[in-house]
Amino acid sequence: QKEVEQDPGPLSVPEGAIVSLNCTYSNSAFQYFMWYRQYSRKGPELLMYTYSSGNKEDGRFTAQVDKSSKYISLFIRDSQPSDSATYLCAMSAEGFKTIFGAGTRLFVKA
Amino acid sequence: GAGVSQTPSNKVTEKGKYVELRCDPISGHTALYWYRQSLGQGPEFLIYFQGTGAADDSGLPNDRFFAVRPEGSVSTLKIQRTERGDSAVYLCASSPYDGSYEQYFGPGTRLTVT
Repeated sequence: QKEVEQDPGPLSVPEGAIVSLNCTYSNSAFQYFMWYRQYSRKGPELLMYTYSSGNKEDGRFTAQVDKSSKYISLFIRDSQPSDSATYLCAMSAEGFKTIFGAGTRLFVKA
Repeated sequence: GAGVSQTPSNKVTEKGKYVELRCDPISGHTALYWYRQSLGQGPEFLIYFQGTGAADDSGLPNDRFFAVRPEGSVSTLKIQRTERGDSAVYLCASSPYDGSYEQYFGPGTRLTVT
């Protein structure tokens, strides 16, 4: 079993939809939870960061962490075609060695 | 300012050859990471540098892989006796300080071993 599990998709939604992306993990030592966006043939770009449990909102993006269930989510409101990319969850226990999920491919149709 | 740069952007080599991949981090960033990303997968941790020293090299798959960062800035990932299974995108990331969650990634080097 992988330390971090993420549904690879693809996930296809119409423009304006609310998107929900999720990851589960097995290592209870993880404290830092990140979401990265990766466009084709580019490096990942940090979108959201959460420390321990709770919610964090930034514009159209909301990250949620439920440590008791070992489950994290990223919600995208009013999705746009420019949001079409691969979304990677990532986690770390100490803040440096980071374990990534496999990524979910998202397509937002105009 | 300038982001993380990696050279070359593409490298094709024959099985058994030696390759070097270079990473120029963001100026002033003290922490540096190397990852490997295969098609359809997330980045896989290889090694982490704090300054000039490798603080965690537990992700290097075997002794054919080695990385250096002699002056605490530029880093080179070295792969000896390349194998077809080494084909992947090699990503470098830097962080402003040790233990920061913020990692800024370069565009990667796409390595193909024929």
